[in-house]
Amino acid sequence: DIVMTQSPDSLAVSLGERATINCKSSQSILYSSNNKNQLAWFQQKPGQPPKLLIYWASTRESGVPDRFSGSGSGTDFTLTISSLQAEDVAVYYCHQYYTTPRTFGQGTKVEIK
Amino acid sequence: QVQLVQSGAEVMKPGASVKVSCKASGYTFTRYYMHWVRQAPGQGLEWMGIINPSSGVTTYAQKFQGRVTLTRDTSTSTVYMELSSLRSEDTAVYYCARDTPIDRVIDYWGQGTLVTVSS
Repeated sequence: DIVMTQSPDSLAVSLGERATINCKSSQSILYSSNNKNQLAWFQQKPGQPPKLLIYWASTRESGVPDRFSGSGSGTDFTLTISSLQAEDVAVYYCHQYYTTPRTFGQGTKVEIK
Repeated sequence: QVQLVQSGAEVMKPGASVKVSCKASGYTFTRYYMHWVRQAPGQGLEWMGIINPSSGVTTYAQKFQGRVTLTRDTSTSTVYMELSSLRSEDTAVYYCARDTPIDRVIDYWGQGTLVTVSS
C-alpha cells in the first residue's frame, strides 16, 4: 500500500498569513499517460464530508478560491493557503488515487493563531 | 445537481451486520464508480472499497476482505455497503463518494452515515 504522510499534524496561522501543508507518498504516484501526479487535497470541516480542493496535484476544483494552490511532484507535495481566512479552519487531507487501495494522509488541522 | 443521499444512523450489536445505502441523483449513475470511505470518531479517512455501478465489479481493501460487500441497484441508482461481524472498532461515519470517469478522483461525497456498534 502507498503510505501518505502529512506534516505538520496541526498548525496555527494568523489571519491573512500563509499556511503550508506537506504530504509525502511512499512511492511515486506519477501517471505516465499524462505525466501528472495522482494526488488530491480535501478539506473537511467539523460535521461535514470532505470537499475536493485540488487534484492532479495542482489543478484547482471549480469554485475553490484561488488562495488555495497545490504543488509538487514525485513523492513530495504541498498545499498552500496564501492568505488564511476564518472559513479555512478545517482538517486537510492529501490522497493518492494512483492505485488501490486508495490511501489518505493522516490529516493536518489548521487553526487561527 | 449531483446528490448522494445516504441512509440514516444505525446502532448495532457486536457480531451483527449493517447495510448502508447511498442514492445518487443528478448524473448518469452507471458512468461513475462509487467508493466507500469510513472515518472513526476523531480519526482520519479510511478507504474500504469501490464498485463499478455499470458492471457490479468490486475491489475491496485487504483489511475488509470477507467482511464488506458492495452492491448496486441500477433501477434506483443506489449503491449499498454491507459490513458484517461488527465490532466496536467499526464505530464510524461511513461515506459513499463518487469517482470521476476521466480524472479518476473523488469529486462528491454523501453526507455520511454514523454506525455505532455497542452492546
